[in-house]
Amino acid sequence: DIVMTQSPDSLAVSLGERATINCKSSQSVLYSSNKKNYLAWYQQKPGQPPKLVISWASTRESGVPDRFSGSGSGTDFTLTISSLQAEDVAVYYCQQFYTTPRITFGQGTRLEIK
Amino acid sequence: QVQLVESGGGVVQPGRSLRLSCAASGFTLSSNAMQWVRQAPGKGLEWVAVISKDGSSKHYADSVKGRFTISRDNSQNTLFLQMNSLRVEDTAVYYCARDRYESTGTFFDCWGQGTLVTVSS
Repeated sequence: DIVMTQSPDSLAVSLGERATINCKSSQSVLYSSNKKNYLAWYQQKPGQPPKLVISWASTRESGVPDRFSGSGSGTDFTLTISSLQAEDVAVYYCQQFYTTPRITFGQGTRLEIK
Repeated sequence: QVQLVESGGGVVQPGRSLRLSCAASGFTLSSNAMQWVRQAPGKGLEWVAVISKDGSSKHYADSVKGRFTISRDNSQNTLFLQMNSLRVEDTAVYYCARDRYESTGTFFDCWGQGTLVTVSS
């Protein structure tokens, strides 16, 4: 199985500042035939189920604020929140689906307000 | 409005069985693969099982293979997870989730609120 490792485990950022979460896969999740990265990002707020925010490494889901962006390719990926808002406090997970149907998640990164 | 509602969780002794259900509304269940994902208390997300849109293909995490069975009734818009030989380490909130596509295993664009399964003597 592909192991997904996120860093840091927790992060405290001031309101209005940039938050950056990293995700590294143990092998490439870039599919050579279509040049797509098989990676998604989820946001899980306390007491709620996860919510999909980014698919295919960089495609923002409908309704997700444009302060959220995803980047990276191959084995190294980043979720960036350009200007942190209070409602962004959550745990964020990356997920690979390259080895579909056996998908794996990162361990999660807890984002808090400084 | 797309919605998934899980039910069937509870407290069960080790070695016993439990059947979870997930009722879908607001979309046609037969159009998508469906997944079960669990989250142990205070822990991260763990993929459990996936079933193709027509139920012909099923896959399981090694941790549940041979004990859990995923199934679906598209006529009733319902997904199931039969859990046998439960272990203490199966204690978790179980989420059903809709796969974005009809094939088995991409990413999940709709999640239920989850149902808690506690395995304890």
